[in-house]
Amino acid sequence: GESVGLHLPTLSVQEGDNSIINCAYSNSASDYFIWYKQESGKGPQFIIDIRSNMDKRQGQRVTVLLNKTVKHLSLQIAATQPGDSAVYFCAEKASWGKLQFGAGTQVVVTP
Amino acid sequence: GAGVSQSPRYKVTKRGQDVALRCDPISGHVSLYWYRQALGQGPEFLTYFNYEAQQDKSGLPNDRFSAERPEGSISTLTIQRTEQRDSAMYRCASSRDRNTEAFFGQGTRLTVV
Repeated sequence: GESVGLHLPTLSVQEGDNSIINCAYSNSASDYFIWYKQESGKGPQFIIDIRSNMDKRQGQRVTVLLNKTVKHLSLQIAATQPGDSAVYFCAEKASWGKLQFGAGTQVVVTP
Repeated sequence: GAGVSQSPRYKVTKRGQDVALRCDPISGHVSLYWYRQALGQGPEFLTYFNYEAQQDKSGLPNDRFSAERPEGSISTLTIQRTEQRDSAMYRCASSRDRNTEAFFGQGTRLTVV
């Protein structure tokens, strides 16, 4: 759905721990999903994507899980580092549709 | 080009003036998206193109906003009779085709005074 609200949810995680960021998507027709990272003053940066014919995809230190039954997406970051501090957005897309962003989660990595 | 290029990076304009924001996508990318992003919020969809065809313009706030991509490459987002509420970061993104990752430009920071 549309991004709403002025305050981003915040996830505070200790350096070295694993992070899990959750996202609920709205369109049951969406078949392609992307996670983006946005650092202060920069544009969104692609992290990892997943298509609806998969339920899990792994990258370097990141894993995306897709549960189509409950329309839920998650991003797991292993061994979180200070450089992982950013806002994370999930985005969904139906085949011929627009790429729609969620509201975002602020991740703060503490030493 | 190496990445998505947007110009100008910063634009200050007086209320009532028209502005044109340019996006130069990655060479060969079919899909091009325009977003607006307020501080602390996610990118808000405005419009998108596949090649030169505008596939969806449902996010354009009103008829003062328009976009074109006449040759299927460079795109221009035009805002007529700007208002202070139009002040925001305008972001462009492109993707190789309609179902691959979109890459973002640095954005144009528009300030209407």
